[in-house]
Amino acid sequence: DADVTQTPRNRITKTGKRIMLECSQTKGHDRMYWYRQDPGLGLRLIYYSFDVKDINKGEISDGYSVSRQAQAKFSLSLESAIPNQTALYFCATSAGGSSYEQYFGPGTRLTVT
Amino acid sequence: AQSVTQLGSHVSVSEGALVLLRCNYSSSVPPYLFWYVQYPNQGLQLLLKYTTGATLVKGINGFEAEFKKSETSFHLTKPSAHMSDAAEYFCAVSGQTSYDKVIFGPGTSLSVIP
Repeated sequence: DADVTQTPRNRITKTGKRIMLECSQTKGHDRMYWYRQDPGLGLRLIYYSFDVKDINKGEISDGYSVSRQAQAKFSLSLESAIPNQTALYFCATSAGGSSYEQYFGPGTRLTVT
Repeated sequence: AQSVTQLGSHVSVSEGALVLLRCNYSSSVPPYLFWYVQYPNQGLQLLLKYTTGATLVKGINGFEAEFKKSETSFHLTKPSAHMSDAAEYFCAVSGQTSYDKVIFGPGTSLSVIP
């Protein structure tokens, strides 16, 4: 089984809907991240969590919220989806600080119509 | 503040030819540097990283990169391209404190021509 899983893998939703993307990991890592990927822009950090009680905004957190339900689970919510949130979303984990490898999930492709 | 630029959003090489993907970074502190690869419909996976020590770093699948501080570069190379190397490649930079975040470049899509 994959170490980092994301559900759903694909989602189409309408403008104004609330949507949640879920991430689970079996690597036992404390640190978890949410990124979005847009063509030509690479990956941009939305939120990150260094442990269950520590959640921080990334560079593009507006319009998003997160919940760290347990060490293994980190969910991303779009409170009221808008079309420019159409993107590929990745969850990642790491065992420690910035020198450590990040392990990525397979991604969720979100389309907001 | 840190940033990454990758010259060429798309690179095409012939099978067996040299692969060279360029990465330049900007950092106000000594950097950690990474190359990640993304195969179609998959998440990113680490190819190699530079933290400290030897500036020529070897990674998986025959790739290597050299940290050149004077040029603020971390170019990725592979002597002989294989069809399976076709993917998106991301260069990334971070600072060296425990709380520094990783900043990704825009990516370079590599095509390998038979």
